[in-house]
Order: sequence, then C-alpha cells, then structure tokens
Amino acid sequence: QVQLQESGPGLVKPSQTLSLTCTVSGGSISSGDYYWSWIRQPPGKGLEWIGYIYYSGSTYYNPSLKSRVTISVDTSKNQFSLKLSSVTAADTAVYYCARDATGTHPDYWGQGTLVTVSS
Amino acid sequence: QSALTQPASVSGSPGQSITISCTGTSSDVGGYNYVSWYQQHPGKAPKLMIYEVSNRPSGVPDRFSGSKSGNTASLTISGLQAEDEADYYCSSYTSSSTVFGGGTKLTVL
Repeated sequence: QVQLQESGPGLVKPSQTLSLTCTVSGGSISSGDYYWSWIRQPPGKGLEWIGYIYYSGSTYYNPSLKSRVTISVDTSKNQFSLKLSSVTAADTAVYYCARDATGTHPDYWGQGTLVTVSS
Repeated sequence: QSALTQPASVSGSPGQSITISCTGTSSDVGGYNYVSWYQQHPGKAPKLMIYEVSNRPSGVPDRFSGSKSGNTASLTISGLQAEDEADYYCSSYTSSSTVFGGGTKLTVL
C-alpha cells in the first residue's frame, strides 16, 4: 500500500519561499496514471487544494495560488515537491501531500506537516 | 473558484441518520459527477469516504452513502456511531482543479 510522508522546515520567514518534499513509498511515482497533490489546511480552518503534478510532468494549480506555486517531481528519489513563494502569515497551515488516482479525488494522504510563517 | 457551501455543524444521536449538504454551482458540483467526501478526526489527515458522488472505497462502511441533485451533493450517515463524530468535507472537480467545502462538524449526542 502506498504511503506518503511530508518533510521540510516548520518555520519560514515572511516574503521567503516555502519548500516541502513528499516521499512516496510502496510504489513508484513514475508508474501508473497518478496525480501527485498538495493540499493545505490553516489552523482551525478548512481544506484548500494547492495543485498537482501528473506522472507525465504536467502541472495544474489553484488559480488563486498559481502565480506563487511550483510543483515538481524527482523520479530518481521517488519524491515530489512544493515551492510557494512570497509567503505571508496567511500561508501558515498544515500541508498535506496526497495521491490522486484520477485527478478528481485524493485517496492516499500523508500525515501532514505544520508550516508556520513568522519572523 | 469559491469554496463549496456546507452547514457549519450537524448533530444526531447514536443509531439515527444525518445528512450533510454541499452546494456548489454548475461549474463544479452540478457540472461533473466528481464529488467526494472526506472524514477528518482531530489531528489526523482526511480520509476518503465517498468518491464520484456515491462510490465507497474499500473498507468504508455501507452506512455512508452519497448522492447529488443539481448543484447540491449530500452525504448521509445512517446508524450513527460515536466514532463518526468528526469534521466532514466535500470536494468537487472543476476544470482541471479541485474545490473543497468549508467543512461540517458532526456531533454524536
């Protein structure tokens, strides 16, 4: 069964770039028609879809975040990554990585990692 | 894209049935049969409970069911159990992206 694990700094300064990595185990990231997703949840609030990368490399982003988001994949390490630039306190959230089999519903999720934006 | 609309809270007694609504537009809920529902317990990652409006992943009890009419989708939980107390989120595919609802807190009395 596929497992996902987020990693990265828990504290980022305002105006800097947030960088997170998701390591996939139990399956190859480059095999199968999967979408590899990032979703976030501010403390005490609801879920927000950030975007995903298709196994072929095509990317799709939330229109409200598109100008600041980059999702990439490293098949040699079986990882995919998120970069969010020019962060503010509003970007403080638990960030989840997830696998989406059809591009319509994430099915396997990581445990999430809290990223705080503060000076 | 705007968040889908869910009631902030619902409640029910053990054994009863409850329904959570999720209202969108013709660009998301009404336009595609790609509505999903997630259960989230405090401090945990969301868990997929329903996908493509009414399909249950393996291992999800058949007490959970989904439906859709027009721009509104619904999640029904029958035979409520204490462990069903959680936050529930709907989501919908919309033009190469995904939009979530604001979430509904289910309290089992």
